[in-house]
Amino acid sequence: KNQVEQSPQSLIILEGKNCTLQCNYTVSPFSNLRWYKQDTGRGPVSLTIMTFSENTKSNGRYTATLDADTKQSSLHITASQLSDSASYICVVSESGGGNKLTFGTGTQLKVEL
Amino acid sequence: DVKVTQSSRYLVKRTGEKVFLECVQDMDHENMFWYRQDPGLGLRLIYFSYDVKMKEKGDIPEGYSVSREKKERFSLILESASTNQTSMYLCASSFGGGLFTDTQYFGPGTRLTVL
Repeated sequence: KNQVEQSPQSLIILEGKNCTLQCNYTVSPFSNLRWYKQDTGRGPVSLTIMTFSENTKSNGRYTATLDADTKQSSLHITASQLSDSASYICVVSESGGGNKLTFGTGTQLKVEL
Repeated sequence: DVKVTQSSRYLVKRTGEKVFLECVQDMDHENMFWYRQDPGLGLRLIYFSYDVKMKEKGDIPEGYSVSREKKERFSLILESASTNQTSMYLCASSFGGGLFTDTQYFGPGTRLTVL
C-alpha cells in the first residue's frame, strides 16, 4: 500500500530561525512530489513540485529536496516568518494512470516571536 | 489566478438531512475533485470528475454522490447525513491531461458538522 509519512508531526520555532520538514514515501511507480502549504481554515496551496530527475526546487524562502533513490524529500524554510505558521503537506503522485495521489498527514508548524 | 470557491465555509446539519456542497472554478479546468480532511488522516478522495457529466469514485465514496452538469461546477451530495460525515470538505480543480499529476487548486473548504 502506498504511504507518505511526514515528520515531525508538529514543530515550534522562533521567528527568523530555519527549519526542515521531512517526507518519506513508498509510492511506486513515482511521478512527482509536491509540497503544499495549508493555512488554518484555508485550502492547501502548492509550494513546489519535483519530478524524478529533480533534486532541488526553490520557491522564495522554501527549498524542497528529493532523493528518489531513498524515497525521501525535505522542505527547508529559511528565515522563518510568522506567516509561515501553517500545516505543510507532502503529496506524492503515482504514474502509469489510475487514480493515485497519496497525501501525508502534514507537519503543523508554528512560528513564534 | 485560479479561483475555486465553495458555497459555504461553515455548515451545521442534522442527522438524516440531505446536504449539498457546491464548488465553482473559474479557470475552465477539466478536472474537479472532492476530498474530506480529518485530523490525523490527511486528505482522502471522495469523487472526481474529468468532464461534464463524468464522475468516478475515489477512495471513500460511500454515503456520497456528485453531480457535474456544467464544466465550472461540481456538487457533492450527502443523501442522508450522518455524524461520521462531520469533517472539512475540500474541493479542487486541475487543468487537464494528467488527472493526478497536474497541480490541483483548492477551495477554502467547508467545515460540515452533523448533529
